[in-house]
Amino acid sequence: GQNIDQPTEMTATEGAIVQINCTYQTSGFNGLFWYQQHAGEAPTFLSYNVLDGLEEKGRFSSFLSRSKGYSYLLLKELQMKDSASYLCAVRDSNYQLIWGAGTKLIIKP
Amino acid sequence: IAGITQAPTSQILAAGRRMTLRCTQDMRHNAMYWYRQDLGLGLRLIHYSNTAGTTGKGEVPDGYSVSRANTDDFPLTLASAVPSQTSVYFCASSDGEYNEQFFGPGTRLTVL
Repeated sequence: GQNIDQPTEMTATEGAIVQINCTYQTSGFNGLFWYQQHAGEAPTFLSYNVLDGLEEKGRFSSFLSRSKGYSYLLLKELQMKDSASYLCAVRDSNYQLIWGAGTKLIIKP
Repeated sequence: IAGITQAPTSQILAAGRRMTLRCTQDMRHNAMYWYRQDLGLGLRLIHYSNTAGTTGKGEVPDGYSVSRANTDDFPLTLASAVPSQTSVYFCASSDGEYNEQFFGPGTRLTVL
C-alpha cells in the first residue's frame, strides 16, 4: 500500500528553527510537495522537490532523498503566523497526489 | 473572481438527500480535483478531471459523481447522502497534472 508518515504535532519557540520530517512509501515517485494549511483554511503550496537535495525559498527550505524515501521541511526564524498544519504529498506513478495526515506546528512566544 | 470558488461554504443535510457542491475556477487550468479532508487523515482524492470532457475516479469515489462540461466548472454530486460523508470538501485545480494544485476555500458538509 501507499503510505506517507509525518509527526502528528510539534511545538517550537518563536525565532527558532524547526524541522518537519516526512517519510513515504508509494507506487512510483514523481515529485514531493509541501503545503501549509492554517486552521479552517485551504492548503497553500510551499515547495516542490523532484531531485535529491535542498530547495530554499526564503525562510523555508525543503530537502529530498529519494533513495531513503525521506523529505523534511525546515522553517527558520519562526513567527507566530507559522502556526499551522504542514502537509507532505507525493505524486505517484499515476500522477495523483498521496497526502500525509499533516503535522500541526504550534509556535510559542 | 480570482482563483477557485466553492459553494456552499457549509451545509447541513439530511441523510438520503441529494446534494451538489459547486466549484468554479477562473485560471483556465486544465486539471481539477475533489478531495475530502477528515480529522487525522490526509486529503483523499474523490474524483479528478485532467481536461474538460474527461473524469476519473480517485481513492474514495463511492457515493459521489462528477461532471466536467467546460474548463471552469467541476461540480461534485452526492446522490443520496450518508452520515459517513460528513467532511470538509476541497476542490483544487492545476495547470496540467504535473504542477502544483491550488485549492478552493472548502465546503463543510454535515450529514445527519
